[in-house]
Amino acid sequence: DQQVKQNSPSLSVQEGRISILNCDYTNSMFDYFLWYKKYPAEGPTFLISISSIKDKNEDGRFTVFLNKSAKHLSLHIVPSQPGDSAVYFCAASEGSGGYQKVTFGTGTKLQVIP
Amino acid sequence: DTGVSQDPRHKITKRGQNVTFRCDPISEHNRLYWYRQTLGQGPEFLTYFQNEAQLEKSRLLSDRFSAERPKGSFSTLEIQRTEQGDSAMYLCASSLPGDSLYGYTFGSGTRLTVV
Repeated sequence: DQQVKQNSPSLSVQEGRISILNCDYTNSMFDYFLWYKKYPAEGPTFLISISSIKDKNEDGRFTVFLNKSAKHLSLHIVPSQPGDSAVYFCAASEGSGGYQKVTFGTGTKLQVIP
Repeated sequence: DTGVSQDPRHKITKRGQNVTFRCDPISEHNRLYWYRQTLGQGPEFLTYFQNEAQLEKSRLLSDRFSAERPKGSFSTLEIQRTEQGDSAMYLCASSLPGDSLYGYTFGSGTRLTVV
């Protein structure tokens, strides 16, 4: 049962344009949503997050939008830069036995073309 | 502190052999997690430690897998009688309580290849 879904395995965007990465989830108990970025041969690196009580969080070029009624979130990168080329994982967490258990999506590989 | 360290980075083993991986978390992080990632998939939860106590194990973690965190510092993940299906990237992560909005800090992983 895939509770966090990223339906686009890859995305190509021109440098300077907006990148939009999408994610859908099924578990209404998730209370935090996170995006991680992963370069080859490295572990995932935390990028940005949002609490379920908010609908938008912004950090520099990165903005995450949450639509709880649609169980959908998206990551916007503006403007996109070649260094943003990586695999982006959507993740969601819920309280479980006193800690936040994180479930990951399958990832979207972003290529920013110079 | 240089982050979460994992050793070895790569391991090639013959089917049926036992392997052990080590993870050194960020020193002040009392929470430690093991995840497994296969090609084309996201990281999948294996197990969670708070200090030295293993508080949750995934159904993915068969009897051939065992994890320890003696003294609440480093952790080891052992796989006995390896199978080809165990080939994956094994990721370790750590965090502090209350880090829900800041995510986990992951290591670079140990890539296991079973031949």
